[in-house]
Amino acid sequence: ILNVEQSPQSLHVQEGDSTNFTCSFPSSNFYALHWYRWETAKSPEALFVMTLNGDEKKKGRISATLNTKEGYSYLYIKGSQPEDSATYLCAFFFASGSRLTFGEGTQLTVNP
Amino acid sequence: EAQVTQNPRYLITVTGKKLTVTCSQNMNHEYMSWYRQDPGLGLRQIYYSMNVEVTDKGDVPEGYKVSRKEKRNFPLILESPSPNQTSLYFCASSFGSRPFNYGYTFGSGTRLTVV
Repeated sequence: ILNVEQSPQSLHVQEGDSTNFTCSFPSSNFYALHWYRWETAKSPEALFVMTLNGDEKKKGRISATLNTKEGYSYLYIKGSQPEDSATYLCAFFFASGSRLTFGEGTQLTVNP
Repeated sequence: EAQVTQNPRYLITVTGKKLTVTCSQNMNHEYMSWYRQDPGLGLRQIYYSMNVEVTDKGDVPEGYKVSRKEKRNFPLILESPSPNQTSLYFCASSFGSRPFNYGYTFGSGTRLTVV
């Protein structure tokens, strides 16, 4: 099983702060990277699907970048709000495999 | 509304008593998958299906069975549940024969306790 590592495991920020976290994955044989947002007592929801080196995706205050050559992706949240509190999962798919491998997630808490 | 429907949401059962968790999607997705979520371990794939009558093992298939007789349904069967199968289970689906280009749609989860 190829490892997907996310850091930090958890993060507490104040409302209005901007924040970012990291997803690291094996750089060889890359095919796709997904980001999901998982709120407590709900199911994960897809944020971004990224396939090309240098990809940048944005949805409102949330954006993500991808570096396939060095094997990492960053997720940024600008001006965090309490409703951004959730676990953010990344998942990696490599070209010769057949399934997404998920990281353990970064748990974000935004304090009002 | 486009969705993945799992049932039941909560289930407490006894060791050895066969059970089925149902999963149905209304989006005409080819790809469906089952995951389990355990503390400190992340989402781990149990089984997946690329299309009708096509299923394959994920990372943790032991103790589980699946079937894909219709495109919309992908039930998870525990023939003889054991306490180590106590977990939170998610069904997910995705569009197309190359689902990794598209985000997964997850069901609402089934919290299973085996005593």
